[in-house]
This record gives sequence, C-alpha cells and structure tokens, in this order.
Amino acid sequence: DAGVTQSPTHLIKTRGQHVTLRCSPISGHKSVSWYQQVLGQGPQFIFQYYEKEERGRGNFPDRFSARQFPNYSSELNVNALLLGDSALYLCASSTPPGQVNTEAFFGQGTRLTVV
Amino acid sequence: AQRVTQPEKLLSVFKGAPVELKCNYSYSGSPELFWYVQYSRQRLQLLLRHISRESIKGFTADLNKGETSFHLKKPFAQEEDSAMYYCALNGIYNQGGKLIFGQGTELSVKP
Repeated sequence: DAGVTQSPTHLIKTRGQHVTLRCSPISGHKSVSWYQQVLGQGPQFIFQYYEKEERGRGNFPDRFSARQFPNYSSELNVNALLLGDSALYLCASSTPPGQVNTEAFFGQGTRLTVV
Repeated sequence: AQRVTQPEKLLSVFKGAPVELKCNYSYSGSPELFWYVQYSRQRLQLLLRHISRESIKGFTADLNKGETSFHLKKPFAQEEDSAMYYCALNGIYNQGGKLIFGQGTELSVKP
C-alpha cells in the first residue's frame, strides 16, 4: 500500500499565479481532507470531501477551492497566490465518517513557496 | 470556538527521564482527542486516541474533561522518541478528517 500520495512535492510560484495540488487517497478511503501548515505551526484544516461532496470548510478565503473525483482523488486549487500562502499543504485520507475508530492518514505534503 | 493549545514549543529531557507534553482544548461538546507524531523526514502519523485508552510506544494520555486537558505522558523517555508531537481535536465524532491541531511540541531526548 503506497499510502496517501501527493504531487508535486515542491513548487515555486509567483504572486498572483494559480496553483493546483493533487492527492491520491489510500485505496478504499473515500474521504479526503486538506490542511495548510505554516512553518512553526500545526496543520490548519482547509477542506474535507466525502463522496465528491464538500463536508467541511475551514476559515480560508474563497481563493481556496477543492474538488474530489469519482476515483476519490482530490485537487486543491489556490488562485491569486499571496506570499502568505507559502506553506506545506497536507492531504489526509480516512475511512468514511461514522465508522468506529476512523483515522486520518497523511501524505508527505506539497511544499509551496510563493515569491 | 474549538481550539487546541500546546503551551510548550520545545521540551528537552534526558534519556530515562519522565516526559509530559501538555495539551489543553476548548470545545463545548464531547470531543474526540488524538496525539499525532512526526518523526524526522517522515509523515504525520497517529500515535494514540483517547477513545482507545491504550499505550503506544510507552505513551499514554488521559482525557480530563474537568481540566479540558489531554496531556501525553511517558515514564522513561528514549532517544527515538525525539519528534514533533501534535495534539488534535475532532469536534464531530468519527469524522476522521476534520482535525483541529495545536501548534505542536518538539520533544528532544538527549543521551
């Protein structure tokens, strides 16, 4: 089992540009969540998707959007990049909501640098 | 508001010493609490959850609803315990992916 995979691993973008980050969940997991981790801080919840529907959204501007595909992979999109968007973006997959002992499994993350 | 606070950014102990990583939370209902760990160059992974009431790698954590705390403890620290530790809260039972994290505590165990 390859675990949760994210691509790319590193990315450098210019202010104002758009970025798309990708995540493939563990086989059998239908729920995908996205987190932003700024240096020196804990991960901050951005979105959760389950069965292609948004199930939760953190306190992030509308420049952040996401979607989930029929194969349960997911994309996180950020428009009009700001310097403050520079962070490690983590994807986590988990078993369906409501199951006993559901657990979030994290990917290695995508390091985004905005210059 | 839901919040997790880890007051110590860095905790440094000697091998064999007891360890306690503090975690306090703010949540009006019955939260589900976790400790996640990130070893050097590895991904974030679950260490333990309060519901399981188990000991993992010698670590235990007890949920104290009166003090709204979920401190992580180990009686004898080992060098391989050196890592970043994050306390996390899930405000909706068994939702898995909607976690609220503290800022993390770096544990350094010296030989």
